[in-house]
Amino acid sequence: KAGVTQTPRYLIKTRGQQVTLSCSPISGHRSVSWYQQTPGQGLQFLFEYFSETQRNKGNFPGRFSGRQFSNSRSEMNVSTLELGDSALYLCASSGGQGVWEAFFGQGTRLTVV
Amino acid sequence: TQLLEQSPQFLSIQEGENLTVYCNSSSVFSSLQWYRQEPGEGPVLLVTVVTGGEVKKLKRLTFQFGDARKDSSLHITAAQPGDTGLYLCAGAGASNTGKLIFGQGTTLQVKP
Repeated sequence: KAGVTQTPRYLIKTRGQQVTLSCSPISGHRSVSWYQQTPGQGLQFLFEYFSETQRNKGNFPGRFSGRQFSNSRSEMNVSTLELGDSALYLCASSGGQGVWEAFFGQGTRLTVV
Repeated sequence: TQLLEQSPQFLSIQEGENLTVYCNSSSVFSSLQWYRQEPGEGPVLLVTVVTGGEVKKLKRLTFQFGDARKDSSLHITAAQPGDTGLYLCAGAGASNTGKLIFGQGTTLQVKP
């Protein structure tokens, strides 16, 4: 059974640009959550999508957005990038019901210069 | 706001020593997970505990969920260099809507 796939693994962008990250969950999983990990703040929840609907949202500005497609794949978009957006962005896949267990991808390392 | 306080933040020990990592909160969680993360990689799920007082063992690792489901601990017996990494605890709320609350993590270094 394939794991969670995130693309790209590494990304370098300039301030003011926008970026789109992709996540393919484990086959059969309907929930995809996104997290931002930085040395100072640790792992912080961005949002969760279940069956193409955003079900929960963290405390991030509107520049961070996402969507989920009918095949459960998800994308995350960050517009007007700031230096502080440099982080490891992690996607987690879950069945979405019952006992919550999240399985993470390898992450996308975003560097904003 | 739910918070998970994890301690210690850093731990450097010799091979063969025992250690315990703690995760505490004033909030009740429906379940709690422990992860291990290597540099530049995503966290890998080690265990999920659900029932208050539950104890789970994974080889030399023992996980316990507090009776009130507000705290948890990870105990490693006879640590080995391969146990080196960042250990994270994460709690799931009652709504089970994908939001995990993470502790700040414990960086463990096991020296040979």
